[in-house]
Amino acid sequence: AQRVTQPEKLLSVFKGAPVELKCNYSYSGSPELFWYVQYSRQRLQLLLRHISRESIKGFTADLNKGETSFHLKKPFAQEEDSAMYYCAISGGGADGLTFGKGTHLIIQP
Amino acid sequence: SQTIHQWPATLVQPVGSPLSLECTVEGTSNPNLYWYRQAAGRGLQLLFYSVGIGQISSEVPQNLSASRPQDRQFILSSKKLLLSDSGFYLCAWSPGVAEQYFGPGTRLTVT
Repeated sequence: AQRVTQPEKLLSVFKGAPVELKCNYSYSGSPELFWYVQYSRQRLQLLLRHISRESIKGFTADLNKGETSFHLKKPFAQEEDSAMYYCAISGGGADGLTFGKGTHLIIQP
Repeated sequence: SQTIHQWPATLVQPVGSPLSLECTVEGTSNPNLYWYRQAAGRGLQLLFYSVGIGQISSEVPQNLSASRPQDRQFILSSKKLLLSDSGFYLCAWSPGVAEQYFGPGTRLTVT
């Protein structure tokens, strides 16, 4: 069975500091990995996906198959980055995503 | 562009009462549709998904059921609510590839 682990329930960093949100997964095949973000009073939205290898709002995430990790990083945190972040995995089919329990990121001024 | 709607936004229901939550998608056809429940500290749990009209797959046994009477309509139901059914229910759609797009959610409180 596939599983996603986000070890930090809460992560607090100062504005301008680097941010790393950890995500580890277990999956027997070749998964697709995603990061979703939920800002206060907004709906859950897709932040980025590993197959796109893109940078969104300054965030990047690299899939490390050896370590089965997909950590989310940003070199300089901004206050508007405060939100709940969820890592998710898919087997590529139609059968839904498996989410981690989320990390609440707080950026302090 | 595609949009996804859910209603009601909030709902307070007594134990033992029925439930019907509705989700509709606009701007696309034949989407894959999903129901998730988000409980505090538990992340999102997939409840049901559907790849077409009348096709429902259940991920976990529970007190809930789902139906898809139309291509872009997905309904979550219960005949008798339990206290443990309280939570935040999210509907999502997918164009057929892995990424999903979520609705605003329904906050259900069972009293």
